[in-house]
Amino acid sequence: LAKTTQPISMDSYEGQEVNITCSHNNIATNDYITWYQQFPSQGPRFIIQGYKTKVTNEVASLFIPADRKSSTLSLPRVSLSDTAVYYCLGVQAAGNKLTFGGGTRVLVKP
Amino acid sequence: NAGVTQTPKFRVLKTGQSMTLLCAQDMNHEYMYWYRQDPGMGLRLIHYSVGEGTTAKGEVPDGYNVSRLKKQNFLLGLESAAPSQTSVYFCASSRLAGRDEQYFGPGTRLTVT
Repeated sequence: LAKTTQPISMDSYEGQEVNITCSHNNIATNDYITWYQQFPSQGPRFIIQGYKTKVTNEVASLFIPADRKSSTLSLPRVSLSDTAVYYCLGVQAAGNKLTFGGGTRVLVKP
Repeated sequence: NAGVTQTPKFRVLKTGQSMTLLCAQDMNHEYMYWYRQDPGMGLRLIHYSVGEGTTAKGEVPDGYNVSRLKKQNFLLGLESAAPSQTSVYFCASSRLAGRDEQYFGPGTRLTVT
C-alpha cells in the first residue's frame, strides 16, 4: 500500500477554495487515490477517488498528475461545516485494507 | 436504511474484564471491518471479514477476536481488556473489496481503567 504524506493542518475562511496536496512517491500501479473526510466523533466518510487526471463530484475535485506521485484534493467554496480531518489513502484495486495516516485537519473560520 | 450501526456507543471496563462490540449493517455488504482510532491518529485495521463465516487479521489484531456468524453482523471481542485498548472503535462495511467505498459506523468509545 502506498505511504502517503499530507500536511498536518490547514486554516481557511468561509467561501475560499481549499487545496490539500498529498504525496505518494511509492504508489503502485494498481493503487487508487482515495480521500475520506472525518468529522469529530464520527466515522470517516468517502469523498472521492481517482486513478489519474481529474475527477469531480458534487463535493470535491481530485487532481492527479501523470506521474501519480502526488494528488490534490480541492474543496470549492468551503463553509464552516467543512471543518474536519481529511485523509489521503492509496488503495489497492483488489486489496481489502485501508491504511490511514494522520490526515490533514482543516479548520474553516468565519 | 440505517447503514452501519454499532452497539454500545460508550463503555468503561476495568482491566481484565471482557466485552463484545456489535456491528450491524443493512446494506447486504459482503465485506466488514473493525478499526481502532487512538487520539489524534488515523484508523488502524484490527480484523476484517470477506463474507459470512470468514475472518482475517488486520494490522493490529492482538488482544481481539472476531466472529461473522451472520452476513449482517460482525462482532469484536476483548477477552481480557487492557488500558492500551482504550480507543474509539469503528466498524465499516463495503459491497466489494479493494477500492470500493467503505461505509463507517458512528463508533464505540471504550475506556479501560
